[in-house]
Amino acid sequence: AQTVTQSQPEMSVQEAETVTLSCTYDTSENNYYLFWYKQPPSRQMILVIRQEAYKQQNATENRFSVNFQKAAKSFSLKISDSQLGDTAMYFCAFGSGGYQKVTFGTGTKLQVIP
Amino acid sequence: DTEVTQTPKHLVMGMTNKKSLKCEQHMGHRAMYWYKQKAKKPPELMFVYSYEKLSINESVPSRFSPECPNSSLLNLHLHALQPEDSALYLCASSLRQSDTQYFGPGTRLTVL
Repeated sequence: AQTVTQSQPEMSVQEAETVTLSCTYDTSENNYYLFWYKQPPSRQMILVIRQEAYKQQNATENRFSVNFQKAAKSFSLKISDSQLGDTAMYFCAFGSGGYQKVTFGTGTKLQVIP
Repeated sequence: DTEVTQTPKHLVMGMTNKKSLKCEQHMGHRAMYWYKQKAKKPPELMFVYSYEKLSINESVPSRFSPECPNSSLLNLHLHALQPEDSALYLCASSLRQSDTQYFGPGTRLTVL
């Protein structure tokens, strides 16, 4: 069974600064996907970024980028130039290549301070 | 159109009531999901439909009954719920079961 660990229950960052959210996972599979989802207080879960395990290049989406370390089973999310709208719960998630379901981490609550 | 819609937004029901939650997508996705989410917790998978057939039931109590009438629509029928079933119910869809899931805004359910 896969496990996803987010060791930072809460974090805060000043507006315009950079913050990194940590995620580690455990799996014996080689073909899998990793995701970061964002859930603002308004509650809709939004996909932030997706990484395929077979790709060595780290995924980026505008101000969001990941540091994917496959050997270390680490998948951190970096948010640059933080904005007030980034305030949300962030969930790291794992899905295997033939996966039947996605495994979510426990989440990191991020507060962006003006 | 990358939207998953859910109705109603809020639902309050008694333990003897029967109600239904509705989820709809028009992205051509063939996999649809129901999740239950308690406050400050990650979503917990309940059911997965793939090509309109039930693919996964995560040992959910029978008072929750899913239905997938067509590839765009997913229902969750509720009957004789308990107060501990109060939660946010999220629907999601993906192109296939192995693809990225897109979530709806959820239905906030309160059972009295």
